[in-house]
Amino acid sequence: DAGVTQSPTHLIKTRGQHVTLRCSPISGHKSVSWYQQVLGQGPQFIFQYYEKEERGRGNFPDRFSARQFPNYSSELNVNALLLGDSALYLCASSLGHSSYEQYFGPGTRLTVT
Amino acid sequence: DQQVKQNSPSLSVQEGRISILNCDYTNSMFDYFLWYKKYPAEGPTFLISISSIKDKNEDGRFTVFLNKSAKHLSLHIVPSQPGDSAVYFCAARWGGSEKLVFGKGTKLTVNP
Repeated sequence: DAGVTQSPTHLIKTRGQHVTLRCSPISGHKSVSWYQQVLGQGPQFIFQYYEKEERGRGNFPDRFSARQFPNYSSELNVNALLLGDSALYLCASSLGHSSYEQYFGPGTRLTVT
Repeated sequence: DQQVKQNSPSLSVQEGRISILNCDYTNSMFDYFLWYKKYPAEGPTFLISISSIKDKNEDGRFTVFLNKSAKHLSLHIVPSQPGDSAVYFCAARWGGSEKLVFGKGTKLTVNP
């Protein structure tokens, strides 16, 4: 069984640019969450989507947005990139709303220069 | 304001001995606690969880203990194996949601 997949693996962007990160959940999983992990810290919750609707949002600025598609895959968009956005972006999927067991993808390493 | 704290950045143990990883939390709204293991260049892998209404959960070599009055949980690995060497994250779930709050992690090294 394929796990959670994320693309791209690595990305280098310049300040002020925007970026789109993609995530495909485990087959049958309807919920996708996004986390940001800065070096030396634990993952920090950004968004959760379930059945294409936003069900949770963390303490991130409006430059961060996301969406979920009918096939339950998801995109995370970040506009006006700052140096501080450099991090590992993790996607996690679960069976449904309020599931506690989440399965993480390998992440996308974003570097902003 | 860290709601989930792992105060030990690293831990080193000998193969075959017990590894004990600790975690403290501040918020009584958490209803599940989870431990994840992370190898470099991989995403976190779910290990074991415990409901806030339990005080112990066991799965093979892994046991998690929860002390609600102290707002403290611990992960015991017995016996420790070199393959257990990784960063371990403690996470807590906001009641009824899928939002997980993570600690900073503890790097476990198991020496042969």
